[in-house]
Amino acid sequence: EVHLLESGGTLVQPGGSLRLSCVASGFTFSSYAMSWVRQAPGKGLEWVSGVYDDGGSTYYADSVKGRLTISRDNPRNTLYLQMNSLRAEDTAVYYCARWVGLPSYFDSWGQGTLVTVSS
Amino acid sequence: DIQMTQSPSSLSASVGDRVMITCRASQSISNYLNWYQQKPGKAPDLLIYVASTLQSGVPSRFSGSGSGTDFTLTITNLQPEDFATYSCQQSYSLPYTFGQGTKLEIK
Repeated sequence: EVHLLESGGTLVQPGGSLRLSCVASGFTFSSYAMSWVRQAPGKGLEWVSGVYDDGGSTYYADSVKGRLTISRDNPRNTLYLQMNSLRAEDTAVYYCARWVGLPSYFDSWGQGTLVTVSS
Repeated sequence: DIQMTQSPSSLSASVGDRVMITCRASQSISNYLNWYQQKPGKAPDLLIYVASTLQSGVPSRFSGSGSGTDFTLTITNLQPEDFATYSCQQSYSLPYTFGQGTKLEIK
């Protein structure tokens, strides 16, 4: 059974930094692309970033480009999201999701971790 | 970016009803359209991908149709566990974008 477990969400001040982690189990992590999707309180889902299986290709939403960095450690079965220069509008639950490609969809999701950016 | 617009934003229905939720893309996305179900406080679950293919384990009362810019999620014989928020998502091009969601409530 696929299992994704996020951690690292907390309260952080505007301009601060944070690193989220997502530990995967139940599948061959190194064979799948992965993504981060977020959901602000009471709002819809927003794709944030994605990384291919080997970590060689990364993709970002314009709203986070230059501030958030996705990466992965395949031997540790872990996906990361380094978050810098955080803004109030980054406040959201952040989900990691297994990204199946061609056709593309998100077929497994973690339970999410809450990031709150506030002074 | 491709904009995804769902209608209605909310919907009230009764157990046993048939409901339809529509999703419109701002440009043609072929059939690269996925549907997710989300219950309060939980992560989304994949229901349908490439417009009409049911994800493994999803009941057959769920179905999807459409291509190009207009898509529909249909739920027949509504069950109590189906009351949730439904979101469409285009996977035609990055950045992937979602609809704003349709909240299905019990009448």
